[in-house]
Amino acid sequence: NAGVTQTPKFQVLKTGQSMTLQCAQDMNHNSMYWYRQDPGMGLRLIYYSASEGTTDKGEVPNGYNVSRLNKREFSLRLESAAPSQTSVYFCASSELLAGEQFFGPGTRLTVL
Amino acid sequence: QQQVKQSPQSLIVQKGGISIINCAYENTAFDYFPWYQQFPGKGPALLIAIRPDVSEKKEGRFTISFNKSAKQFSLHIMDSQPGDSATYFCAASVGNDYKLSFGAGTTVTVRA
Repeated sequence: NAGVTQTPKFQVLKTGQSMTLQCAQDMNHNSMYWYRQDPGMGLRLIYYSASEGTTDKGEVPNGYNVSRLNKREFSLRLESAAPSQTSVYFCASSELLAGEQFFGPGTRLTVL
Repeated sequence: QQQVKQSPQSLIVQKGGISIINCAYENTAFDYFPWYQQFPGKGPALLIAIRPDVSEKKEGRFTISFNKSAKQFSLHIMDSQPGDSATYFCAASVGNDYKLSFGAGTTVTVRA
């Protein structure tokens, strides 16, 4: 039981490049989330998915797109990376209507 | 603008002492208030959570105090141990989506 897994662990991009961050969970959770963590800002919600096929914007969605591929997987795409997107990205999942979110280990992204 | 304001930014406590972290919010619709603990290089993990119908919740050495009229809640860590050294985040959400708004975080260092 791996919980929430994220790939890659580290990534360096140049401005304008695109990439997809992958997230998968094996806990049969319905809800999945993408957050970014920046120093002094805590974690901020980028996108949320209540179930397969549904997504909803969070606090900071600009510059990102998401895909809920199936119940297990929720990917985050940066179409044209900007230095302001340098951050640590966390994926999380939870049971529907339950408060506890289980976080992955994070992806540290640097955009030059 | 952060919806949940957290203080202090950091604190140092001696082993056996009490750590106190405070959070304040403005949105009176918030109905779920969790605290997350994060160790370096790891994702956050739920520590304890409270709903506004109770004023205090205790789990082991960790206690949440909640003051609905003041729109404040706090985390008390009793008998602090070196293993408690971590970053602590308060958060809040509305309804069943659990789209969390996080505070900026408090780094706690427990000196042996």
